Amino acid sequence: NAGVTQTPKFQVLKTGQSMTLQCAQDMNHEYMSWYRQDPGMGLRLIHYSVGAGITDQGEVPNGYNVSRSTTEDFPLRLLSAAPSQTSVYFCASRRYRQSSYNSPLHFGNGTRLTVT
Amino acid sequence: KQEVTQIPAALSVPEGENLVLNCSFTDSAIYNLQWFRQDPGKGLTSLLLIQSSQREQTSGRLNASLDKSSGRSTLYIAASQPGDSATYLCAVSRTQGGSEKLVFGKGTKLTVNP
Repeated sequence: NAGVTQTPKFQVLKTGQSMTLQCAQDMNHEYMSWYRQDPGMGLRLIHYSVGAGITDQGEVPNGYNVSRSTTEDFPLRLLSAAPSQTSVYFCASRRYRQSSYNSPLHFGNGTRLTVT
Repeated sequence: KQEVTQIPAALSVPEGENLVLNCSFTDSAIYNLQWFRQDPGKGLTSLLLIQSSQREQTSGRLNASLDKSSGRSTLYIAASQPGDSATYLCAVSRTQGGSEKLVFGKGTKLTVNP
């Protein structure tokens, strides 16, 4: 009963480095998304996907790339890390085609990223 | 632009008290409203989802209501316990550019004192 699994839990990067945050879900959810959570800013949507091969931008997409080659996985890539990307990143998923718009969102436990 | 506000930002109550958390939103054209709980260092856990056609949902000691016309939702917690201490967030779903997205409030941090 894993749900949404995110790795790593913690990461420290230097400015300019790149990395990929991993997200996997075992609930066969079509919809997957990435959020960042910052103090005083709340949760903001970075990118989302409604199925394999389909991705779209959210509220704060700059500096991040995503791809969706399988239903289960939705990795988030930081191309060139900046201190402004220091945050806690959450992956979330839900059903999409069935009961559209009325399926609860399931979150992973987050990745705490620090960019120095 | 949809905005979601949660007041108060923090609340401290003694164990056993009944309490209400508030959530307001500016655009009544929503599909649903969800209440989440977040424990420190953890992700969000969905507590209740109210569809736009519904007025309330209940789960155990929790009851959430929705008044779309006034742009308000409340989360009622009965007989609060120290284990209820957490941050509670509400989120409304909306459409933008043909896609459905969630807009979150910043949360109410609840502390239940033994």
